[in-house]
Amino acid sequence: SQKIEQNSEALNIQEGKTATLTCNYTNYSPAYLQWYRQDPGRGPVFLLLIRENEKEKRKERLKVTFDTTLKQSLFHITASQPADSATYLCALHTGGFKTIFGAGTRLFVKA
Amino acid sequence: EADIYQTPRYLVIGTGKKITLECSQTMGHDKMYWYQQDPGMELHLIHYSYGVNSTEKGDLSSESTVSRIRTEHFPLTLESARPSHTSQYLCASMEFTGEKLFFGSGTQLSVL
Repeated sequence: SQKIEQNSEALNIQEGKTATLTCNYTNYSPAYLQWYRQDPGRGPVFLLLIRENEKEKRKERLKVTFDTTLKQSLFHITASQPADSATYLCALHTGGFKTIFGAGTRLFVKA
Repeated sequence: EADIYQTPRYLVIGTGKKITLECSQTMGHDKMYWYQQDPGMELHLIHYSYGVNSTEKGDLSSESTVSRIRTEHFPLTLESARPSHTSQYLCASMEFTGEKLFFGSGTQLSVL
């Protein structure tokens, strides 16, 4: 069956360190992959999009990689801050009008 | 910031009641979506719309219904609420040729 897997365990890191989150998927051939941030009780907010023909995309302290052979994306936050604490969702566009989401990884950044 | 609004933010209601969750966007987006999310779980697509008078069921079976009479408005209705409907409901929109979703803040529904 089609599946998106993200680390279900929370990630705890110290302020200033780099956080790395993983997204693995099976049985998809997505045209692009997205990362969203979700704060408790709120809707997700779009962060970055990376296409199937791109290896890496950067935006300020954020970096995303996309390996279509491994069917994996890595999401990095450099120089992390307590304000980066949130749940980060991986999402795939499966064609047509649908976007499919993973369950997300909760990130805690300690001061 | 996205201009997409959901009301109410929180709703506690008894079993058997009819409820409508409101979603409006002021961005003129053609595509609109309803997702359902339980704590710590992925978002499940329950309904979507390509434009006015177009609605489709999503991947997750849902007893709810939707309508799209105006571009900006995409309400979701439960004819008879049950405790199994307790969840967070998220509305989203996207430009027709767009790639990113804009979400509302969600409605947290509790059915007693």
